[in-house]
Amino acid sequence: GAVVSQHPSWVICKSGTSVKIECRSLDFQATTMFWYRQFPKQSLMLMATSNEGSKATYEQGVEKDKFLINHASLTLSTLTVTSAHPEDSSFYICSARIGARNTEAFFGQGTRLTVV
Amino acid sequence: GQQLNQSPQSMFIQEGEDVSMNCTSSSIFNTWLWYKQDPGEGPVLLIALYKAGELTSNGRLTAQFGITRKDSFLNISASIPSDVGIYFCAGQGAQKLVFGQGTRLTINP
Repeated sequence: GAVVSQHPSWVICKSGTSVKIECRSLDFQATTMFWYRQFPKQSLMLMATSNEGSKATYEQGVEKDKFLINHASLTLSTLTVTSAHPEDSSFYICSARIGARNTEAFFGQGTRLTVV
Repeated sequence: GQQLNQSPQSMFIQEGEDVSMNCTSSSIFNTWLWYKQDPGEGPVLLIALYKAGELTSNGRLTAQFGITRKDSFLNISASIPSDVGIYFCAGQGAQKLVFGQGTRLTINP
């Protein structure tokens, strides 16, 4: 399968600071990437859809000014958690699709964010 | 909105036993996917189903896409310790993946 690399795998930051998470498609071009959030023992919750060269589409209830998404190239999307608070602590996962017709989505390894 | 109901939520089995889990939906999906997630990792794609009624195998895993496109099951035969994890079904909508709640599989050696 295709490889999606997410970095960092874990990060601890102080409350009020910002954290950037990178998602890269290593062996394919991804016009669309997705960002999920997962709380312990729960399923994945879609936060936003990241489209290369255009603004991200956010799910209802997700603050776009707090979770900044940039998809500047066909192989890289970034999620920046701005002014992080302890309640932002979670497992963040990205995924990417190969092309528009292939609906198989491949996931990154996830990033464990802890805000102290 | 679209929802997937996945069952059972958890399973405790002996090594070597067969496992079966399923998902149902109130909506029709064109594609159904099964993923496995290990602790602290992202989901890994196990099987993708594209056609109604399709039965697909991947080693000891077998999955079928329901005729109505509203359900799917995943079977694991002769379970081994590395099968431990959380299994998610996912339906591909127009743009997004819709996930089930997950089935947590625990295996007693």
